[in-house]
Formats: sequence, structure tokens, C-alpha cells
Amino acid sequence: KAGVTQTPRYLIKTRGQQVTLSCSPISGHRSVSWYQQTPGQGLQFLFEYFSETQRNKGNFPGRFSGRQFSNSRSEMNVSTLELGDSALYLCASSLEVMGDTQYFGPGTRLTVL
Amino acid sequence: QKEVEQDPGPLSVPEGAIVSLNCTYSNSAFQYFMWYRQYSRKGPELLMYTYSSGNKEDGRFTAQVDKSSKYISLFIRDSQPSDSATYLCAMSAPGSGNTGKLIFGQGTTLQVKP
Repeated sequence: KAGVTQTPRYLIKTRGQQVTLSCSPISGHRSVSWYQQTPGQGLQFLFEYFSETQRNKGNFPGRFSGRQFSNSRSEMNVSTLELGDSALYLCASSLEVMGDTQYFGPGTRLTVL
Repeated sequence: QKEVEQDPGPLSVPEGAIVSLNCTYSNSAFQYFMWYRQYSRKGPELLMYTYSSGNKEDGRFTAQVDKSSKYISLFIRDSQPSDSATYLCAMSAPGSGNTGKLIFGQGTTLQVKP
């Protein structure tokens, strides 16, 4: 079974631009979570989607948004990029059962100049 | 104070040593406990998953959860240079407000020297 895939793997943007990242979950997984990983803050939860609905959200500004499609694929968008948004963005998928394990993709490394 | 505390290391051990990695947490609602391994420039890879208290063993890896002390551990026996990576503990709580949300420790960087 194929794992979680994320595209693109690397991105370079400038301040003020916006960016869209994509995630394809493991086949059959309906929950997709997004995380931001930085050296200073570690892995932080952004939001979770299930059946095209955002079920949970972390403490990030409204510039961070996402959506999920009917095939469970998910995208996240960051608008008005800031230097501090430079990070590894990770997507994880799981089955719908509470407490089920999350499987991570390789991440998208975003650099904001 | 962070919900999950983990010593970032780095931790350096000789090949064949037993490695002990630990996390403490403050939220007594946590019920699900995980250990992930992350190699440089890769996504985290699930190593161990434990529900509530107790021990779980998988090959050279043993995970322990002590909910009374709010303390979890990962032991690696006969460590190998290929075990050199960052080890992240993660945990989550039940409830509709916690769906899909893992709380991670800072990660411990481990180096196993040949």
C-alpha cells in the first residue's frame, strides 16, 4: 500500500506571496492532519480534516487554511507569507477511529525569503 | 510549561548499547502514546504505539507508559548506527476537541557510534 505523498517537496517563496501544499493520504484513510515543524517550536498541530470538514484546529493565524476533497486528498494554503513561516510542513493520515495511529508523509520544505 | 517535555540531547552511545529515551507530560487526559523516528530531511516514521499504561515490545524496541507518574520511555537494545536519528514522543487525548491532534515532544537526537 502506498504511503502518504506530499507535493511539492521543496518550495521557495518571497514574503507576501501565498502557497498551496498538497497531500494524498494512504488509500482508505479519511482523516488528514497537518503539522508545522521548526527547529525552535518542534512539531505543532495546524488542523485536521475528515470527510471534507475541518474537525479540529491548532493555534495558528487565519493565514493558514486548508481543505479536503471527496477523495480525501487535502491541501493547505498559507497566504501573505512571513519569514517565520519557513518550516517543514507535514501531512499525516489515519483511519477515522479515535486514537488511531497517524502516518506521516515526507513533508514539504518551505523557505520564505 | 510545555504539555510534553523531552530532553533534546544530543545523546551519543557506542554501538550495542542500550538506549533509554524519555518524555514527561502534564495532561492527565492523554490516553494514546507513540514514538516516532525521524531521519534527517524525512517525515516521522511510527515506531511504537501504546494505549494507556503498560509495556509493549517490538524487536529491539520496548515502550513503557506510566500514567501515574506521567512518564513514558522507549528502550532500544543492541543499538545500531542505523538507529541514529531524532526520536519524537507523541500523545493524544480522546474527545471531539482532540481529533487528529498529536502533541509532540521536542525530540531527542541520538547518535550511535560504530
